[in-house]
Amino acid sequence: AQSVTQLGSHVSVSEGALVLLRCNYSSSVPPYLFWYVQYPNQGLQLLLKYTSAATLVKGINDFEAEFKKSETSFHLTKPSAHMSDAAEYFCAVSHKPNAGGTSYGKLTFGQGTILTVHP
Amino acid sequence: NAGVTQTPKFRVLKTGQSMTLLCAQDMNHEYMYWYRQDPGMGLRLIHYSVGEGTTAKGEVPDGYNVSRLKKQNFLLGLESAAPSQTSVYFCASSYSVALEGHEQYFGPGTRLTVT
Repeated sequence: AQSVTQLGSHVSVSEGALVLLRCNYSSSVPPYLFWYVQYPNQGLQLLLKYTSAATLVKGINDFEAEFKKSETSFHLTKPSAHMSDAAEYFCAVSHKPNAGGTSYGKLTFGQGTILTVHP
Repeated sequence: NAGVTQTPKFRVLKTGQSMTLLCAQDMNHEYMYWYRQDPGMGLRLIHYSVGEGTTAKGEVPDGYNVSRLKKQNFLLGLESAAPSQTSVYFCASSYSVALEGHEQYFGPGTRLTVT
């Protein structure tokens, strides 16, 4: 069964600093991987996703993530943090569809990382 | 498009009371899901549906029931609420398995408190 571990439940950075949120997964087959963001009192929004087309994935708001199979990681980065990036971030893993088409696209989420951005 | 909507946004129940949460999507998605979110635990799948008239159990189904009578609606029921069901509930939907990535679209959530 797949699982997702996000290292660090809280990350604090200064405005303009590099953002690095860590995600490691375990899966018996190459998965699909996602990063979602949740702003206070809102639902989850997709930031970016990896579907095996390219290992470096670019998302919205200058976020990007790199799939590293050898490290089973999918860390999220942003070169320069903005105050509006303060939110909770979730990494998630999903299986690819199987031959019988019975995969329902179940997502397994990490525990979440709360990002705080200081002026 | 409204996307995924949830009703109600907030609710307070007493132990033993029942209620139904409504999820609606206007994207013609086949798949729909109910999650609960608790601090430090991420999102956990309660039940899901792969099409109209079908439902299946997720990771934490006990104490909940669901129905998918219409493709656009997915109902989550609590027959006898317990304090352990205090949580934020999210509905999501996605395209069929024919498309890559299974990207899920989430509703704004329902905050439920059981006293």
